[in-house]
Amino acid sequence: NAGVTQTPKFRILKIGQSMTLQCTQDMNHNYMYWYRQDPGMGLKLIYYSVGAGITDKGEVPNGYNVSRSTTEDFPLRLELAAPSQTSVYFCASSSPGRPLRTSGANVLTFGAGSRLTVL
Amino acid sequence: GIQVEQSPPDLILQEGANSTLRCNFSDSVNNLQWFHQNPWGQLINLFYIPSGTKQNGRLSATTVATERYSLLYISSSQTTDSGVYFCAVGDPRGGYQKVTFGTGTKLQVIP
Repeated sequence: NAGVTQTPKFRILKIGQSMTLQCTQDMNHNYMYWYRQDPGMGLKLIYYSVGAGITDKGEVPNGYNVSRSTTEDFPLRLELAAPSQTSVYFCASSSPGRPLRTSGANVLTFGAGSRLTVL
Repeated sequence: GIQVEQSPPDLILQEGANSTLRCNFSDSVNNLQWFHQNPWGQLINLFYIPSGTKQNGRLSATTVATERYSLLYISSSQTTDSGVYFCAVGDPRGGYQKVTFGTGTKLQVIP
């Protein structure tokens, strides 16, 4: 059981370039998330998905796109990279346990993070 | 969206001391979790606690959902407790699966 796997771990982009951060989970979780964490700050939700084919915006979606064609994969696409997108990106997943109040299945499992620098 | 504030923002403790971290949220929640981010950036879930009290070793947590706050207690702190503690809540307007993180409490435990 690998859990949540993110690639790449580190990447340097030039302004205007594009790239995709990959996220894969092998726990058959329905829910997947992308967060960004700027230095010394908390985590901000970029996009989330409650199942294959279903995605929704979080707090800071501008400049990013996502897709969810399978249960396992939730890639995050950066178009026209800008210095403001320099951050550490975390992918997470959870399962829709019921009842919501008591089920520990709703616990978020995080990947190790991807550090992106835009110069 | 839901607002999540944590206090204090920074905390320095002598090894062996106890502490209480607080998380206030602006709306009703059915999904509340506490995380520890270690100095290497790894995020580890400590508790899933939308209501009630749970204990795990030196750590315990209490959520009073009706009053919109949660507390994380750390007893007999150790240097390995250092890092940032986050609470995260499910936004009812996102079906409770739109999980928003708080501002964090940075804890430093000194020997």
